[in-house]
Amino acid sequence: EDQVTQSPEALRLQEGESSSLNCSYTVSGLRGLFWYRQDPGKGPEFLFTLYSAGEEKEKERLKATLTKKESFLHITAPKPEDSATYLCAVRRSGGSNYKLTFGKGTLLTVNP
Amino acid sequence: DVKVTQSSRYLVKRTGEKVFLECVQDMDHENMFWYRQDPGLGLRLIYFSYDVKMKEKGDIPEGYSVSREKKERFSLILESASTNQTSMYLCASMVAGDYEQYFGPGTRLTVT
Repeated sequence: EDQVTQSPEALRLQEGESSSLNCSYTVSGLRGLFWYRQDPGKGPEFLFTLYSAGEEKEKERLKATLTKKESFLHITAPKPEDSATYLCAVRRSGGSNYKLTFGKGTLLTVNP
Repeated sequence: DVKVTQSSRYLVKRTGEKVFLECVQDMDHENMFWYRQDPGLGLRLIYFSYDVKMKEKGDIPEGYSVSREKKERFSLILESASTNQTSMYLCASMVAGDYEQYFGPGTRLTVT
């Protein structure tokens, strides 16, 4: 069974204090790892897709990286508006390969 | 930009009522999904549709059914609502292939 574990569950940062969120996964044949941002009471907003180990993607203050066992979402000099829950999900190859398995998320709070 | 809309943001229903949740996407995507999201459990897939009139069960289909009569529209039906179906319901759509899913704003359903 595919598993996605995100850590920490919650993270509180001061504005400008860089940090990383972790997503560890177990999947039989990775066919994509996805990062989403979710604001309270809203649907998840797509951020990145990573397909193979060593791949990196960047968007503003966010950078996602991928290894064979985990992904990191690095947040550089965060601002209060980066506060949200960040979700990680994986898609496996073969079978019902449309399906995403989600982690439970990391709640990020950035204080001014 | 992909736009996924859901018929209601908030809904309150009584136990035993039949409930319809509707989702519309405007990007001609082949695939559409219904998830529910609960604290501590994350996002769980209820049903998936890969074409008009085609559907597959997800991880938690019990107590739910779906309908897809037109490509842009995917409905989730609770035949007889129960209190344990109180949740946030999220619809998503995706173009065919190894791509990201785009989510709607969600419907928070309360069953009393």
